[in-house]
Amino acid sequence: DAGVIQSPRHEVTEMGQEVTLRCKPISGHDYLFWYRQTMMRGLELLIYFNNNVPIDDSGMPEDRFSAKMPNASFSTLKIQPSEPRDSAVYFCASGPGAQTFGSGTRLTVV
Amino acid sequence: QKEVEQDPGPLSVPEGAIVSLNCTYSNSAFQYFMWYRQYSRKGPELLMYTYSSGNKEDGRFTAQVDKSSKYISLFIRDSQPSDSATYLCAVIQGAQKLVFGQGTRLTINP
Repeated sequence: DAGVIQSPRHEVTEMGQEVTLRCKPISGHDYLFWYRQTMMRGLELLIYFNNNVPIDDSGMPEDRFSAKMPNASFSTLKIQPSEPRDSAVYFCASGPGAQTFGSGTRLTVV
Repeated sequence: QKEVEQDPGPLSVPEGAIVSLNCTYSNSAFQYFMWYRQYSRKGPELLMYTYSSGNKEDGRFTAQVDKSSKYISLFIRDSQPSDSATYLCAVIQGAQKLVFGQGTRLTINP
């Protein structure tokens, strides 16, 4: 298995633009998690899905953030409009149990 | 109070030393405890997990949980330069939600 696959690896965008991050979980894993990591706040859970259904989105910072999981092999995290304070590394992970993380998307909003 | 507290370091030790990494947690209901290792510009990877109190050993690594004091420890024996990474403790909250500590940046000097 190729593990959790995230794209793009790096994204630089201008403030106000829409950003879409993508994730392919490990086949057979029925939980999918989106995290954000910054120096100041560490690794924070944004939202997680079970069997493609959002279970807990209490970590989503505001309405500019949205996440979808249209099928078991694909999920997106969208930021619209993006702001400089959204700059971070965004990780996707899949489970159950011990979560396996992707390599992350490093987002820079200028 | 954060649910999981971890000293961010940085921690720098000579090769061959014994390393002790520690976390405290606030909720006595937590039962599963994990340690993740994160190399620079990579996603976290699961190193060890333990259930309830006690020790678990895996090669040079030992994870220890003391539920009476709500204390989690990771010991690394005969530390190697390849152990240089950020180490994150985590607890499972609810069914699948992981709550992470801030992470401790460790450097092993040759």
